[in-house]
Amino acid sequence: GAGVSQSPSNKVTEKGKDVELRCDPISGHTALYWYRQSLGQGLEFLIYFQGNSAPDKSGLPSDRFSAERTGGSVSTLTIQRTQQEDSAVYLCASSLASSFVRDGYTFGSGTRLTVV
Amino acid sequence: KQEVTQIPAALSVPEGENLVLNCSFTDSAIYNLQWFRQDPGKGLTSLLLIQSSQREQTSGRLNASLDKSSGRSTLYIAASQPGDSATYLCAVYAGNMLTFGGGTRLMVKP
Repeated sequence: GAGVSQSPSNKVTEKGKDVELRCDPISGHTALYWYRQSLGQGLEFLIYFQGNSAPDKSGLPSDRFSAERTGGSVSTLTIQRTQQEDSAVYLCASSLASSFVRDGYTFGSGTRLTVV
Repeated sequence: KQEVTQIPAALSVPEGENLVLNCSFTDSAIYNLQWFRQDPGKGLTSLLLIQSSQREQTSGRLNASLDKSSGRSTLYIAASQPGDSATYLCAVYAGNMLTFGGGTRLMVKP
């Protein structure tokens, strides 16, 4: 696609429910990142994919968070048993690994998650 | 561990002023540095990217410089306009990740 697409754009869920957030990167982009931005806070790195593999999962805040990427394209971030502190904007970015130095990363518009 | 700091955290200026936003980073072993703009409730829009081998990049009224050896970058905004009001973020790429600064919240008053 023309840009990085994230869905849903907004999600309100009850505490304890599971949620899935989706990221559809730019076609052909091999690198994909998830970041989290809590209200009034900076961007927090969550996880990085190169192709379908995730060499760096160090940013996932707890074992309630998991992510996968299939076919080297769409990625899903899953949060199990959501807590109120999970409320944040979840941002996805993608890049063509062979040109990230020159072109950098393109971000999606984010998913605003509210846990009530 | 890479740390990125942006000064000032917030800035309010009258329309027409020239502005300088500052970004510093602790580890000079970076591939590139990117400046982003974020409007309230929105995602990030890339403004300028400077590769580690470059010194500056320009786009319209924006000019970004990079001094990798001293760990500093500046974003210069000429003739500011109310439409420039947003949060400006710098990010450095190293070690397979982007590390962001805390941002500068800019308000340009008509």
